[in-house]
Amino acid sequence: NAGVMQNPRHLVRRRGQEARLRCSPMKGHSHVYWYRQLPEEGLKFMVYLQKENIIDESGMPKERFSAEFPKEGPSILRIQQVVRGDSAAYFCASSPGRGTGVSEKLFFGSGTQLSVL
Amino acid sequence: RKEVEQDPGPFNVPEGATVAFNCTYSNSASQSFFWYRQDCRKEPKLLMSVYSSGNEDGRFTAQLNRASQYISLLIRDSKLSDSATYLCVVNLGNTGFQKLVFGTGTRLLVSP
Repeated sequence: NAGVMQNPRHLVRRRGQEARLRCSPMKGHSHVYWYRQLPEEGLKFMVYLQKENIIDESGMPKERFSAEFPKEGPSILRIQQVVRGDSAAYFCASSPGRGTGVSEKLFFGSGTQLSVL
Repeated sequence: RKEVEQDPGPFNVPEGATVAFNCTYSNSASQSFFWYRQDCRKEPKLLMSVYSSGNEDGRFTAQLNRASQYISLLIRDSKLSDSATYLCVVNLGNTGFQKLVFGTGTRLLVSP
């Protein structure tokens, strides 16, 4: 039973390039979350998606960042025109989303380490 | 003021010691509370949920004080494998939406 799968594990980009991070939730999970962890900082919420819908993107930077969770395929976090400050670990998490209340457990992927040269 | 504040440590303790971590949160609307563990910037893993009545899981005891907006974690009989960063987490979301706010973590180093 595979957990939350993220790829690539490591991604190196030059300034100005695009970065695409992929996340496949656990089987049967319909809710996906993206978090970012800058060096020496805690994880910061970015966006919460359900299939084909963005539910809350209050943590997403206003420009260059976008996320989607299509009907088929993984969730994608896309960063356009990357800058050095985008270098961070990006974690995806999923949950069943069966409305079991505020203590529903999130399952995290191993993360993608983005390095911008 | 940070939404979740923790002492970054590190806490250096010998094997077998008892160690306690504290955490405060600023949003009184926080719905639920957790301790996570993170090893070397790998993915965070849920250690335990935290309840006002206090809860225990083996060597780990967690406590929540809603009036003081304070959360604690006690680790008894520390093992070398307990060395990690412990993240205090509050959930600002409502039903079905887990809007987790993470503290920056407290680093624990257990030595032989």
